[in-house]
This record gives sequence, structure tokens and C-alpha cells, in this order.
Amino acid sequence: DAKTTQPPSMDCAEGRAANLPCNHSTISGNEYVYWYRQIHSQGPQYIIHGLKNNETNEMASLIITEDRKSSTLILPHATLRDTAVYYCIAPNTGNQFYFGTGTSLTVIP
Amino acid sequence: DVKVTQSSRYLVKRTGEKVFLECVQDMDHENMFWYRQDPGLGLRLIYFSYDVKMKEKGDIPEGYSVSREKKERFSLILESASTNQTSMYLCASSLGVRYTEAFFGQGTRLTVV
Repeated sequence: DAKTTQPPSMDCAEGRAANLPCNHSTISGNEYVYWYRQIHSQGPQYIIHGLKNNETNEMASLIITEDRKSSTLILPHATLRDTAVYYCIAPNTGNQFYFGTGTSLTVIP
Repeated sequence: DVKVTQSSRYLVKRTGEKVFLECVQDMDHENMFWYRQDPGLGLRLIYFSYDVKMKEKGDIPEGYSVSREKKERFSLILESASTNQTSMYLCASSLGVRYTEAFFGQGTRLTVV
């Protein structure tokens, strides 16, 4: 698995965009980047994934740099319910995937 | 919707007991995983299985074993529970040989006293 690095914590004002960065400089050409979030006392929930093109769904947008060494998850209008731990992972092409400690996002009223 | 169900939300066991944590998924997923989550350490993979009766060790398999007799069920076994196994345990499943999105259960908070 490519190693990912995320800041341990971030704050964001309610209604503003939350931009969560992730470095994955050792990612290989065929490795996707996946994002999950974990709200307190619940299991992680899948958000979005991408290979090299930017992706958007109803939850978030994912921007991947051209060299694929980093990505940013964007929550366009953060709400209090977006307060959670966000995990960026880059699993290998096998069946394993490894989570780190993620970024704890706090949305402030 | 995929559902991953863990048998207990909270569990209290005594040191030395044999503990079974059960996980069932209803979407015919090939892959199933067991993680533990501790403050400051994130999610750490204990074991995973990519097929019935198949298992692979993760990061921290010591003190644990697993069983997958049926595709939908993946059990985590603590042969002799110890206080340092007090943790949140999370089960997950995913489809196919290549990595796809994983679906997690709600977790079992195990306390060993």
C-alpha cells in the first residue's frame, strides 16, 4: 500500500468549504485513492474514490494532482454533521487496505 | 443497501475467557475484514479473508484467530482475553478480487476486566 499522510486535525466554519489534504507520494500508477469518514461511535463510511481525474458525487469532490502525489477532499458547504474523522487511503491492488489515524475535522457553528 | 451486522454493540468479558465476535454481511461479498480501533492509533487490521476458509494476517494478529466457514460470516476469536484487548472492534466487507469500497459494521466495544 502507498503510505498516506494527513494532518491530525482541522477546523472549518459552518457553511464554508472544508478542504482536507492527503499526501500519497509513493502511490503507484494503478492505485486508486479512497476517502472514508467516521462519525463518532459509528463505523467508517465510504465517501469517494478516484484514480487521476477529479471526481464529484453527492457527498464531496476529490481533486487529485496531476502527478498523483496528493489529493484534496472538498466538502463544499460544511455542516455540523460533517464533524468526523476523515481517512485517505491508497490500497494496493490486492485485497488488503490499511487505515491510519486520519484527520479529525471539527465544523464550528 | 449493503448491511454488515456485528452481533454485539457492547461486550464485557473476564480475563482468560474465550471471546467470539461475530460479523455477518448480506451482499455476497468475497472479502471480509476485522479491525480494532484505539485512541491515537487509528484503525489497525487484525485479519482479513478473501474467500471461505481463507484468511490472511493483518498488522496485529497476535492473540486473535478468525473463522470463515460461510461466505457471509466472519468470526473473530480471542482465545484467552486480556485487558490489552479492550478496544472497539470493527468488521467490514468488500466485493471482488481488486479493492473496492468497504462497508463497515457499527462496531463492538469490548471491555475485558
